[in-house]
Amino acid sequence: GENVEQHPSTLSVQEGDSAVIKCTYSDSASNYFPWYKQELGKGPQLIIDIRSNVGEKKDQRIAVTLNKTAKHFSLHITETQPEDSAVYFCAASSTLGRLYFGRGTQLTVWP
Amino acid sequence: DTGVSQDPRHKITKRGQNVTFRCDPISEHNRLYWYRQTLGQGPEFLTYFQNEAQLEKSRLLSDRFSAERPKGSFSTLEIQRTEQGDSAMYLCASSSRQGREQFFGPGTRLTVL
Repeated sequence: GENVEQHPSTLSVQEGDSAVIKCTYSDSASNYFPWYKQELGKGPQLIIDIRSNVGEKKDQRIAVTLNKTAKHFSLHITETQPEDSAVYFCAASSTLGRLYFGRGTQLTVWP
Repeated sequence: DTGVSQDPRHKITKRGQNVTFRCDPISEHNRLYWYRQTLGQGPEFLTYFQNEAQLEKSRLLSDRFSAERPKGSFSTLEIQRTEQGDSAMYLCASSSRQGREQFFGPGTRLTVL
């Protein structure tokens, strides 16, 4: 099955700085890559996703890039704010079924 | 609020007891997924329904676990003879007929004493 690796496991940044989280995947058949934000005590919230026919996607302060050849994708958050503090998960999927998740990145944004 | 609801939000039970969780997906979403999440880990896939048909089950779903979606709307996940290792957050997600996006509910946190 698919194996998704996520780094770093923790990330601390100053408010206003950028944050980058990186993931790699193993299954070349994977073609859908969502990112989720999870706050304490809540379920994961979809924040952005990218399909394999696109190299980059942006939504306001959040962007995702995909390198299919290297099998890695990244989440970029610019102008970070304290409310961006949460655990972020990357995931990969090749079908309409299961998502394979990374182990998460605890992002802390200091004011 | 994504529109996926789960009940109960918290469940504390003793080892050996049976528990049942309910998930109500977003209206008209025909696909429904169950995941399990333990502390410090990402969600792990358990099973997936398209309408009332259970299409995929993970090896994590032992014989003590059963899931149903009898009318293609809400779903239940039952764990029989609970063990301490079953303590986790149980998450439900749904997606539409056309979409890949999975929207998660708030989860049910199970504690087995």
